[in-house]
Amino acid sequence: GESVGLHLPTLSVQEGDNSIINCAYSNSASDYFIWYKQESGKGPQFIIDIRSNMDKRQGQRVTVLLNKTVKHLSLQIAATQPGDSAVYFCAEGFSGGYNKLIFGAGTRLAVHP
Amino acid sequence: GAVVSQHPSWVICKSGTSVKIECRSLDFQATTMFWYRQFPKQSLMLMATSNEGSKATYEQGVEKDKFLINHASLTLSTLTVTSAHPEDSSFYICSARGQIAEQYFGPGTRLTVT
Repeated sequence: GESVGLHLPTLSVQEGDNSIINCAYSNSASDYFIWYKQESGKGPQFIIDIRSNMDKRQGQRVTVLLNKTVKHLSLQIAATQPGDSAVYFCAEGFSGGYNKLIFGAGTRLAVHP
Repeated sequence: GAVVSQHPSWVICKSGTSVKIECRSLDFQATTMFWYRQFPKQSLMLMATSNEGSKATYEQGVEKDKFLINHASLTLSTLTVTSAHPEDSSFYICSARGQIAEQYFGPGTRLTVT
């Protein structure tokens, strides 16, 4: 289940289950959205992205859904594995200017065997 | 794939001293580099955007005289934390963008100010 920690909410799942990580974004003008995985002490690692004119995109074991009406983004991970344990961030991007990214708060995914 | 490195990976310095962190794009030319700061259990906060050969653009609330950014070449940007204090202790991450929109992130630098 989900719990809210001091700063990062945590999602705990059993190995093999599907995981759904949610994100609310702030700017309706954002052109694209990216999900990143960050392991402890490392930089963010790109997982998947989606442009604002799409509502779904699939990768290997991951699916991103975009609902622009409610400004909501989700990352679905199929058959979650212990190696998926990390903190996941969504980021919204703006094509104007220098394509800077604004990161969401993040969710810690804990996968239990 | 595109690789971004940071040096050092961790650094400990005394309060009042300055520390320089390097960010390099190893196999592509980065027209734009970004610097982020991340406190424990928090998200990445964009500090500044730096373009080769021009002054960096700082986000609101980031002191440009304290966090000096230099982007002297298409493969190197540096962040200097001047007169560091314990509250500057954080994880500093850079990213680099080439011709396309995608940003490639470095592994981060852990700064501890004692």
